[in-house]
Amino acid sequence: QVQLVQSGAEVKKPGASVKVSCKASGYTFTSYYIHWVRQAPGQGLEWLGVINASGGNTNYARKFQGRVTMTRDTSTSTVYMVLSRLRSEDTATYYCTRDDDYSGNYDYWGQGTLVTVSS
Amino acid sequence: QYVLTQSPSASATPGQRFTISCSGGSPNIGGNNVYWYQQVPGTAPKLLIYRNNQRPSGVPDRFSGSKSGTSASLAISGLRSDDEADYYCASWDDNLSGVVFGGGTKLTVL
Repeated sequence: QVQLVQSGAEVKKPGASVKVSCKASGYTFTSYYIHWVRQAPGQGLEWLGVINASGGNTNYARKFQGRVTMTRDTSTSTVYMVLSRLRSEDTATYYCTRDDDYSGNYDYWGQGTLVTVSS
Repeated sequence: QYVLTQSPSASATPGQRFTISCSGGSPNIGGNNVYWYQQVPGTAPKLLIYRNNQRPSGVPDRFSGSKSGTSASLAISGLRSDDEADYYCASWDDNLSGVVFGGGTKLTVL
């Protein structure tokens, strides 16, 4: 069965960076794209960007360009998302999700990783 | 601050048919597919409708989607208490080169 398993909760100070992992299983890793979506407490969904698991090319939301980096390791079927220069507004649950293209067709989601930014 | 527009909240009674709307523009809904998600608080969103009107396996046929021009709708028939959740629409935006979401509609089943 398809699974996306994310790393655990993080607490970071403002200005620091956070690295969240997303390990995929149950399907051919390189046949899909992994998108990252976040949700601040009590708020809606916000798209951060996408990585092509095959070629590794990325597309980031303009709001996060320069602060977000997505990479993948095909040997372990894992995608990594690093968000740098954290501020309090980055406190949110971060989800990885699978798509067959650049579309928003998210059929499987990770369980979410809560990142708390606090001094 | 959401590119797609949804009513923030709504309420309905069990057994009723209810529709949630999502309004966008030419770069997103007007030129791309629409997706609908259901989210129960504390859990990850779940795909309800893909490519405007297709249901993934396991999603009851009480849920249906449609699109016309730059707007889309999610209809839920035979409302049940466990349909109480937040519902989000999503689409690709050609101008922003990214996925955009609606702000979500919180549905309360009275």
